[in-house]
Amino acid sequence: EPEVTQTPSHQVTQMGQEVILRCVPISNHLYFYWYRQILGQKVEFLVSFYNNEISEKSEIFDDQFSVERPDGSNFTLKIRSTKLEDSAMYFCASSDDLGTIYFGEGSWLTVV
Amino acid sequence: QKEVEQDPGPLSVPEGAIVSLNCTYSNSAFQYFMWYRQYSRKGPELLMYTYSSGNKEDGRFTAQVDKSSKYISLFIRDSQPSDSATYLCALGGSQGNLIFGKGTKLSVKP
Repeated sequence: EPEVTQTPSHQVTQMGQEVILRCVPISNHLYFYWYRQILGQKVEFLVSFYNNEISEKSEIFDDQFSVERPDGSNFTLKIRSTKLEDSAMYFCASSDDLGTIYFGEGSWLTVV
Repeated sequence: QKEVEQDPGPLSVPEGAIVSLNCTYSNSAFQYFMWYRQYSRKGPELLMYTYSSGNKEDGRFTAQVDKSSKYISLFIRDSQPSDSATYLCALGGSQGNLIFGKGTKLSVKP
């Protein structure tokens, strides 16, 4: 069964460092997303991406965040200067329509 | 008022029981209603999705949506220990921005 794959599964980074989280969405999907989940809290929407541009973003997705689809298969989330409060599980997701959204296993980011 | 309310539990039931999980919401603009299962430190796994009021059945799972009451439910029949997980309701609008509930932690005891 096709799945969304994410790398790395866990990353520890120093505060202020740049981090890039990578995702390979399901191959025929057109809509891509990033969500995050701080330990013990809700899954929260960050950004949606369609047709090579951001279609919607949340208040969390400020200037420190960016997304890119550098080639036909990868979808990345960059955090330019990490803060302690960026520590969370980051989930990539994709869908072929707006209803059925499939999530990856997540990248656990720890900022120290 | 929070957009999506979900009782966090924990909920503990014996094997074979029928489980009822519920969410209420306030925004009538939601168009998509999903249930995900999440194991600890793993990604949400899509269980059920629906776009309209009424019931949708898939094996031991039934999703129910009542748009007039802004209430959605997930029923699990003949619950198994492997069903032990956190169940998340998620509601979506026009751009795929899902709003999640806090999740209900379910434990099914053998």
